[in-house]
Amino acid sequence: LAKTTQPISMDSYEGQEVNITCSHNNIATNDYITWYQQFPSQGPRFIIQGYKTKVTNEVASLFIPADRKSSTLSLPRVSLSDTAVYYCLVGDIPSGGSYIPTFGRGTSLIVHP
Amino acid sequence: GAVVSQHPSWVICKSGTSVKIECRSLDFQATTMFWYRQFPKQSLMLMATSNEGSKATYEQGVEKDKFLINHASLTLSTLTVTSAHPEDSSFYICSARGEEAYEQYFGPGTRLTVT
Repeated sequence: LAKTTQPISMDSYEGQEVNITCSHNNIATNDYITWYQQFPSQGPRFIIQGYKTKVTNEVASLFIPADRKSSTLSLPRVSLSDTAVYYCLVGDIPSGGSYIPTFGRGTSLIVHP
Repeated sequence: GAVVSQHPSWVICKSGTSVKIECRSLDFQATTMFWYRQFPKQSLMLMATSNEGSKATYEQGVEKDKFLINHASLTLSTLTVTSAHPEDSSFYICSARGEEAYEQYFGPGTRLTVT
């Protein structure tokens, strides 16, 4: 049973806000939600991580509803350089040794001029 | 943030030869490292989990005798693809985690092409 479900692809235009939603219906109490960005032929890059409500950093915001069964990555005013694959991961990160980052299919975001 | 390096960044080898890929944590000690394989247009597939000083744990379907993993120190793990074949051509990515890291630090990846 997949831990996360994301749209396979999304299209947007420069300057727009992009919201990518990830479903994780079976999220456990101790699970955190982490988003990564990956460009072709590069390793994944950490974007943002959260447990509940809203988290914001210099590049993105992460919205997590009260039931935590989904989360939304929000990218403000995207540019062409935001074209990448975005992965949502859930896991019991604080447990340390037992957490194994497992990737789903990810969302391929294409930003058009 | 923490940095993980991989060497080489790309390698081309002939079928039947072996190739070693290094993964290093540059500014922290990584008690656990993970090795992934990624085929074109696909997601990262976990191959094995490597803990310093102990044998790696391989995922189902990954041949441990073909993909040799050694995690001899807290800053270095190696993946050796033995008797490589064209179907082993892929993008290999390692990641590392420190004792108290809440992030997973990924390497830049190694492109392996077997001819």
